[in-house]
Amino acid sequence: DLQMTQSPSTLSASVGDRVTITCRTSQSISTWLAWYQQKPGKAPKVLIFDASKLESGVPSRFSGSGSGTEFTLTISSLQPDDFATYFCQQYNSYWTFGPGTKVEIK
Amino acid sequence: QLQLQESGPGLVRPSETLSLTCSVSGGSISTSSYYWGWIRQSPGKGLEWIGSIFYGEDTYYNPSLKGRVTISVDTSKNQFSLILSSVTAADTAMYFCARPRGSGSGFFDPWGQGTLVVVSS
Repeated sequence: DLQMTQSPSTLSASVGDRVTITCRTSQSISTWLAWYQQKPGKAPKVLIFDASKLESGVPSRFSGSGSGTEFTLTISSLQPDDFATYFCQQYNSYWTFGPGTKVEIK
Repeated sequence: QLQLQESGPGLVRPSETLSLTCSVSGGSISTSSYYWGWIRQSPGKGLEWIGSIFYGEDTYYNPSLKGRVTISVDTSKNQFSLILSSVTAADTAMYFCARPRGSGSGFFDPWGQGTLVVVSS
């Protein structure tokens, strides 16, 4: 079974901070990875797909990189609307989600 | 614009069967070769893929749930459904339907708004 990890599980940051979240997979998935943002009571919203492609309408402060087994999501300058939980998801073989990273106000 | 909406009972008794429907609007469930999927999220926990159906034919289920899950499509109603048998409290979760898009198996977009199912006597 393909396993996914995310680090950190919780991140405390301030508005304007540069934030980086890491996602690792137990086997190579090429670039078949997406990043989602989820707010309480809402469905996840895709931010990045194919590891580094920005979804239409998503602010350019979000970026993704990586391939194989290690991936990162970067928020270049954290905004008040960005405090949320972020999940990675692989779609190389069926679908698996990472455990999530909660970005909270410092 | 494609939209998905989950429906079904919010309370299910332990050992009974959970049955949910996802209604699709803004597009036909049968005119394109797409997967249609179910995902759940236990309170305060992460996301778990339950299973997917491809164009009303092939089905794929999370091995952790295999044997209890059935997903089917009703093209006449433009809906697809989830059946989960022998439920326990561990099946209490928000259940989402979604459609993958893009290359590979696809990332999930759009999603329904989700429906909360509580398993309790």
